[in-house]
Amino acid sequence: NAGVTQTPKFQVLKTGQSMTLQCAQDMNHEYMSWYRQDPGMGLRLIHYSVGAGITDQGEVPNGYNVSRSTTEDFPLRLLSAAPSQTSVYFCASRERLGTGGSYEQYFGPGTRLTVT
Amino acid sequence: EDKVVQSPLSLVVHEGDTVTLNCSYEVTNFRSLLWYKQEKKAPTFLFMLTSSGIEKKSGRLSSILDKKELFSILNITATQTGDSAIYLCAVRHGSSNTGKLIFGQGTTLQVKP
Repeated sequence: NAGVTQTPKFQVLKTGQSMTLQCAQDMNHEYMSWYRQDPGMGLRLIHYSVGAGITDQGEVPNGYNVSRSTTEDFPLRLLSAAPSQTSVYFCASRERLGTGGSYEQYFGPGTRLTVT
Repeated sequence: EDKVVQSPLSLVVHEGDTVTLNCSYEVTNFRSLLWYKQEKKAPTFLFMLTSSGIEKKSGRLSSILDKKELFSILNITATQTGDSAIYLCAVRHGSSNTGKLIFGQGTTLQVKP
């Protein structure tokens, strides 16, 4: 298993540009989520999905869109990049609650995004 | 407002010292509390705690949860330089189907030789 993969690892955008951060998992996890990590603020939930076709907003959803057309993929789209979106972005996945598993959340390696 | 607060925010110790990291929380519908270690890249899972008073151990690391006082501690004994990392506490709360995680700010631990 590759686990959770994210691309790209690094990205520099100009203000106003749009882009998509890719996330994929091969563990057949139903639950996937996107976080951003900023110094002194820990990880904050942007959007999450409890299964294909179902998404919901997290703590800081503004400026981001997600879709979940398959179980494996959960892309995060920045609509019009702003300097405030400079951050490290982590995608994560886990089993659906109630399956008897450990519910451990597996994280991707992260994408470091700079918006100038 | 749901929140998770970790303390201290940073800590510098010498090898062999014992450290205690704190995590307090205020959330609706608490489900579980998780500890992660983050070195250079993605966080890696350490423990998940759901019941009060039951200590989880893994080598030199241990953790316990107090659901009455709404906090958890992570202990590291005989610290080594490889323990240097950011330690993140997260609380899962909400409905049984979604179980959203709220993270604390993290504690940055530096272990000097």
